Amino acid sequence: SQTIHQWPATLVQPVGSPLSLECTVEGTSNPNLYWYRQAAGRGLQLLFYSVGIGQISSEVPQNLSASRPQDRQFILSSKKLLLSDSGFYLCAWSGGFYNEQFFGPGTRLTVL
Amino acid sequence: AQSVTQLDSQVPVFEEAPVELRCNYSSSVSVYLFWYVQYPNQGLQLLLKYLSGSTLVKGINGFEAEFNKSQTSFHLRKPSVHISDTAEYFCAVSETEAGGTSYGKLTFGQGTILTVHP
Repeated sequence: SQTIHQWPATLVQPVGSPLSLECTVEGTSNPNLYWYRQAAGRGLQLLFYSVGIGQISSEVPQNLSASRPQDRQFILSSKKLLLSDSGFYLCAWSGGFYNEQFFGPGTRLTVL
Repeated sequence: AQSVTQLDSQVPVFEEAPVELRCNYSSSVSVYLFWYVQYPNQGLQLLLKYLSGSTLVKGINGFEAEFNKSQTSFHLRKPSVHISDTAEYFCAVSETEAGGTSYGKLTFGQGTILTVHP
């Protein structure tokens, strides 16, 4: 069966510090991968998606970037965090664009 | 482009009562529809999905939803709720392969917090 992992589970960072969140998927190959941000009362916002190694599409202009160095690894990064980057970050995978997405446990990021 | 509206931000209900969480969508092409549940500080779990066929879809934990194309709705129902159903519920839509250009990307509603009281 397929599983998806995210780490860390929680993170508290000062403004201006760098960020690296990691997501890995097991039990499948060549998945589509997604990063979402969830702010309180605002639903889920798609940040990035990837259809293969090194292929990243950005949905919204922002302070964040994403990379996919391996088939089942997806990384969310920032060089300098802003207060507005605080939120709950969710990684998801799907077997194709028109399949349902499966979500990881999430990372709670607080920027102070 | 598609959009999703969840008509109730919060729904309080007593244990063993029935519940309906409402979802309306907008899209110029045919769609797939999903309901996800999120427990506090956890990721989202798929409850059920509508891809094609019967408009009444049954999911996990006793939930079901009915796709109504004429009313562009996909309301979630459960005949008798439990305390453990307390969570936030998200409706999501994606365009199908047939006419969409969004490559199946999901658009989520704002969520409905279901609180089940004893």
